[in-house]
Amino acid sequence: EVQLVESGGGLVQPGRSLKLSCAASGFTFSNYYMAWVRQAPKKGLEWVATISTSGSRTYYPDSVKGRFTISRDNAKSSLYLQMNSLKSEDTATYYCARHVGTPYYFDYWGQGVMVTVSS
Amino acid sequence: DIQMTQSPASLSASLEEIVTITCQASQDIGNYLSWYQQKPGKSPQLLIHSATSLADGVPSRFSGSRSGTQYSLKINRLQVEDTGIYYCLQHYSAPWTFGGGTKLELK
Repeated sequence: EVQLVESGGGLVQPGRSLKLSCAASGFTFSNYYMAWVRQAPKKGLEWVATISTSGSRTYYPDSVKGRFTISRDNAKSSLYLQMNSLKSEDTATYYCARHVGTPYYFDYWGQGVMVTVSS
Repeated sequence: DIQMTQSPASLSASLEEIVTITCQASQDIGNYLSWYQQKPGKSPQLLIHSATSLADGVPSRFSGSRSGTQYSLKINRLQVEDTGIYYCLQHYSAPWTFGGGTKLELK
């Protein structure tokens, strides 16, 4: 059974940093592109970052480019999101998601982890 | 960036009714369109991928179609468990973009 379990969320002050983790199991992690998708409270879904199978290619929307860094450790079947210079608008539930293809849609999602940016 | 305009924003329908939700892409995205269902407090679940392909384990009352740059999700014979928020996603090119969502409730 595919499982994605996020951790590392919490309350953080504006301008500070936070690192999220996602532990994957039930599939060969190194074979899949992976992503982070977020959802602000009572809002829609927003793609945040994608990383290739080897980690050599990363993709970001303009809203987080230069502030967020996605990375992975295939030996540990783990995905990470380093978030720097956090803003109040980054407050959201962050989901780890598995891409199908190179890369296409998301077929599995974690349960999400809440990040609140507030002073 | 590719914009996905989803409609309606909310919808109230009766049991056994047929429901249709649409997404209009701002440019050609081929069949690179998927649909997700999200229930309160839960993560999104894949329903349809590649515009028309039903994901594993999804009931056959769900179907997807395409007409040019307009994509539709149809639910035949609405059931209680179908309530929630539905999103489309274009995965033709980065940045991958979602529609704004459709909140489906029972009348």
